[in-house]
Amino acid sequence: AAGVIQSPRHLIKEKRETATLKCYPIPRHDTVYWYQQGPGQDPQFLISFYEKMQSDKGSIPDRFSAQQFSDYHSELNMSSLELGDSALYFCASSLEGAGANVLTFGAGSRLTVL
Amino acid sequence: GQQLNQSPQSMFIQEGEDVSMNCTSSSIFNTWLWYKQDPGEGPVLLIALYKAGELTSNGRLTAQFGITRKDSFLNISASIPSDVGIYFCAGQLISGTGNQFYFGTGTSLTVIP
Repeated sequence: AAGVIQSPRHLIKEKRETATLKCYPIPRHDTVYWYQQGPGQDPQFLISFYEKMQSDKGSIPDRFSAQQFSDYHSELNMSSLELGDSALYFCASSLEGAGANVLTFGAGSRLTVL
Repeated sequence: GQQLNQSPQSMFIQEGEDVSMNCTSSSIFNTWLWYKQDPGEGPVLLIALYKAGELTSNGRLTAQFGITRKDSFLNISASIPSDVGIYFCAGQLISGTGNQFYFGTGTSLTVIP
């Protein structure tokens, strides 16, 4: 079965640069979530989209933005990168229109800011 | 945000031993989920619990949704080396803005052969 696809898997950037992460949810899933996970930390919720509209916002810095496109894929844009942005970024999807209450995660994108 | 207290933080056990970990919260959740995460990979769903009091098994794993809906536990029986990883509980809350998922702080499991 198709899973959540994230790209790139690894990304190295320098301070003040910009990065874009992509997420392709499970086909027919209508909701996408973005999480940030620092070393030894639990995943921290950033933002979510339901049917291409932002549905909830967590601890996402103002330097970050995200959107969900007509094909349901989502992109997380990070600007003015800081050393503290180095983390694993996960995308997860679910089918909330059908009342499902589980998240399926992608393998993550590891961002390293030098 | 909601706070989920997960314990223990880490466990070192001998292969073949049973393991128990739990999560508690001051909030009532609609769903409890248990995930396992290997280093550098995404969390993988182990068990989902939907009703208070529900006891669900998945192979050697058993999890329960607490009666108060504020807690859950996960048991692993007869541990094997591939059980090594970090286990996260997650609670799902349905609010006016949609579904929100909150994660516990994780339990790091080491299985000694």
